[in-house]
Amino acid sequence: SAVISQKPSRDICQRGTSLTIQCQVDSQVTMMFWYRQQPGQSLTLIATANQGSEATYESGFVIDKFPISRPNLTFSTLTVSNMSPEDSSIYLCSVDRGGVTEAFFGQGTRLTVV
Amino acid sequence: KQEVTQIPAALSVPEGENLVLNCSFTDSAIYNLQWFRQDPGKGLTSLLLIQSSQREQTSGRLNASLDKSSGRSTLYIAASQPGDSATYLCAVRGTGNQFYFGTGTSLTVIP
Repeated sequence: SAVISQKPSRDICQRGTSLTIQCQVDSQVTMMFWYRQQPGQSLTLIATANQGSEATYESGFVIDKFPISRPNLTFSTLTVSNMSPEDSSIYLCSVDRGGVTEAFFGQGTRLTVV
Repeated sequence: KQEVTQIPAALSVPEGENLVLNCSFTDSAIYNLQWFRQDPGKGLTSLLLIQSSQREQTSGRLNASLDKSSGRSTLYIAASQPGDSATYLCAVRGTGNQFYFGTGTSLTVIP
């Protein structure tokens, strides 16, 4: 298993500002992912955080809006840039070792943009 | 593209009842299927993981089944309790390693 600490758990931010969300895992993991869950919706994958290289973004998500860092195998950050009310969502960090392994999620960051 | 559907979208039952949540998926080429629980405004808690070669998994009052050929999974909850109230999500992992999530079933257990 993996224990994931995600911070902050929630925040209320002003339009036009940026927020950085941190994800810390208690063991080294190959694969780390960032998801967004808009109100009343299921999870949508934003990107795969790659250690030592640029993140791999899904269609509809771009690096300028959601820059991601992954300096090592236990830590990653997601920044939500130049926020608008449409960015109000729960952002979740996830880890697993790929293939047949189990996926684990952080507690989520509930972001409200006003 | 894989599509995952969960029925019903919402369910309300009296305490003590046994219940079944359904998950269907369109592409049977999967590594595994995982059931999660999500409390309001929170992250996901893993409940059960079923590999593509398995038929079912059990944990306490929970039992999940998988019929890969028909693209279906069920989550059975025995003797439901108010603390079981949450949204239940199923997710399938495709052979490209990506997870595809269902839309969730919101469960309310009435004391």
